[in-house]
Amino acid sequence: DAGITQSPRHKVTETGTPVTLRCHQTENHRYMYWYRQDPGHGLRLIHYSYGVKDTDKGEVSDGYSVSRSKTEDFLLTLESATSSQTSVYFCAIRWGTGVSPGNTIYFGEGSWLTVV
Amino acid sequence: AQKVTQAQTEISVVEKEDVTLDCVYETRDTTYYLFWYKQPPSGELVFLIRRNSFDEQNEISGRYSWNFQKSTSSFNFTITASQVVDSAVYFCALSGGDTGRRALTFGSGTRLQVQP
Repeated sequence: DAGITQSPRHKVTETGTPVTLRCHQTENHRYMYWYRQDPGHGLRLIHYSYGVKDTDKGEVSDGYSVSRSKTEDFLLTLESATSSQTSVYFCAIRWGTGVSPGNTIYFGEGSWLTVV
Repeated sequence: AQKVTQAQTEISVVEKEDVTLDCVYETRDTTYYLFWYKQPPSGELVFLIRRNSFDEQNEISGRYSWNFQKSTSSFNFTITASQVVDSAVYFCALSGGDTGRRALTFGSGTRLQVQP
């Protein structure tokens, strides 16, 4: 158990509304990630964080913002949800408090978001 | 840029057959890490194995084995005597050792169906 909790696990929202997904970890890991999973694309990186208030973009960051004000929480916000953002969102952590690139990445259980 | 290719979209086998899932990767990093994850029908992502670019030894874990060949940039996964519980989507992923974010680049996944 990597101690990762995502909330909400399921959400249906309307186009144009803001949505925030939360990722909470209990082990003080430095690196945290948000991915989205869509059929035929595998998982694609949205944003990542390498420390409190240190975040950067991934390959599919348009329409998303993130914040990390505490080590344990990494928030993903859809400022104005669109139907193309209907997806499964996974939070992940890189095990450990250092910068070793070889540490394993573990995933939360996923958040199913539907934008209607 | 990094890229992972899983050319097999879906494989169907009968229980007790052996099956190999292919993974080909591209990277300019001299140090990198390769991973396999399993995603069962319940949706979570389960870590299976991590291999670094300096270790080309094959690995066996029970019915699972992995063949890493740098010469062909491949990291293939074999399940021996498959079982119905092996039915899942399997993802191969790559993490560069020289890039700052240490994020995973995923292949599009291979769906394995094991028929009883």
